[in-house]
Amino acid sequence: AQKITQTQPGMFVQEKEAVTLDCTYDTSDPSYGLFWYKQPSSGEMIFLIYQGSYDQQNATEGRYSLNFQKARKSANLVISASQLGDSAMYFCAMRFNYGGSQGNLIFGKGTKLSVKP
Amino acid sequence: DTGVSQDPRHKITKRGQNVTFRCDPISEHNRLYWYRQTLGQGPEFLTYFQNEAQLEKSRLLSDRFSAERPKGSFSTLEIQRTEQGDSAMYLCASSLFSTQETQYFGPGTRLLVL
Repeated sequence: AQKITQTQPGMFVQEKEAVTLDCTYDTSDPSYGLFWYKQPSSGEMIFLIYQGSYDQQNATEGRYSLNFQKARKSANLVISASQLGDSAMYFCAMRFNYGGSQGNLIFGKGTKLSVKP
Repeated sequence: DTGVSQDPRHKITKRGQNVTFRCDPISEHNRLYWYRQTLGQGPEFLTYFQNEAQLEKSRLLSDRFSAERPKGSFSTLEIQRTEQGDSAMYLCASSLFSTQETQYFGPGTRLLVL
């Protein structure tokens, strides 16, 4: 069964330091996309970064990078130079490009990141 | 603001009442998704549309739930005979169908059923 696992319910990081949020996934499909979203306390899901299963290089978007290890089925999010405004819930999600559930996202349970001043 | 919008942002209702939520997607997006998120969980897929066609419905979507997207633009999600277990955040997302399709979410509607 397709599944996303985020094993860290909560994480603390000091302001200006880097932090890695873990995500592993389970699928036998060859074509899929991996996403990270940020959800502040206001509730809106904010798209951060995307990685396609066939992409050769790790995705980067500003201070966000995705450490994609396909053989290990992991897609960890790295946030560099943490800021107080990074405090939020972070969700890893997966979408399949083919098959019965094409299109919809499957989410993990999330990691709550707290940035300390 | 050209992002996804949802209305209302908050809704409190009594058990047994009907409620309707509206979602306005990003204008050029042809796909629209509904998700439900309960406390401490990630969002769970409910249903999605491509243009006006409803292409998939989750088993979470009981017969008390109905969604429409009549002209391929805005969408409504109706819950009939609400139950306390329906209390959740209802999130709408839209996207442009492609291989690297990315869904952009609205602010959500928080429903509390008393």
